[in-house]
Amino acid sequence: EVQLVESGGGLVRPGGSLRLACVASGFTFSIYEMNWVRQAPGKGLEWLSYINPAGNLRLYADSVEGRFTVSRDDAKNSVYLQMSSLTEDDTAVYYCVRDPDGTSAAVFLDYWGLGTLVTVSP
Amino acid sequence: DVVLTQTPLSLRVTLGQPASISCRSSQRLVHFDGNTYLSWLQQRPGQPPRLLVHKISQRFSGVPDRFSGSGAGTDFTLTISRVEAEDVGVYYCMQASQFPPYTFGQGTKLEIK
Repeated sequence: EVQLVESGGGLVRPGGSLRLACVASGFTFSIYEMNWVRQAPGKGLEWLSYINPAGNLRLYADSVEGRFTVSRDDAKNSVYLQMSSLTEDDTAVYYCVRDPDGTSAAVFLDYWGLGTLVTVSP
Repeated sequence: DVVLTQTPLSLRVTLGQPASISCRSSQRLVHFDGNTYLSWLQQRPGQPPRLLVHKISQRFSGVPDRFSGSGAGTDFTLTISRVEAEDVGVYYCMQASQFPPYTFGQGTKLEIK
């Protein structure tokens, strides 16, 4: 069974930093593209970041470019999102999501974690 | 970036009746490989999104056959043939044909009448 389990969320002050982690199980993690998608309270879905299986293609939404960094550790079946210069607009549930393409492209998002809540507040 | 516009934004349906949600794209979604990467997601209250349909009409594993997708080019539809109580939630269309970025529709809230 495919599982994605996020951790690392919490309360952080504006301007602060946080590192999210996602541990994958139930599939061969190293051959899949991984993404982070967020959902602000009561709002829709916003894609944030993508990393290809080799880890040498990292893409970001304009809203987080330069502030967020995605990385992966295939030995730990994990993907990370390092977030800095956080503002109240970054308050959201952050989801780790798999894309099954496998060729450093994008096709669809098939498995989602339960999410981790990040709250940015003074 | 591709903008996906869903209609209606809210839907109240009687149990056992059909429901349809439309998704219109600001650009054609045919990828250079010939596929159209338009998906539909369901988000039940308090849960993460769940993939229902990908590549316009391919039902994902475990998805009931009362869910079907159709369309082409810029216009797409998700149809639920007979709404059940467990179908309550918000439905999103999503595209990956013009990636990056993935983009999502605004969401359509389905309630039972």
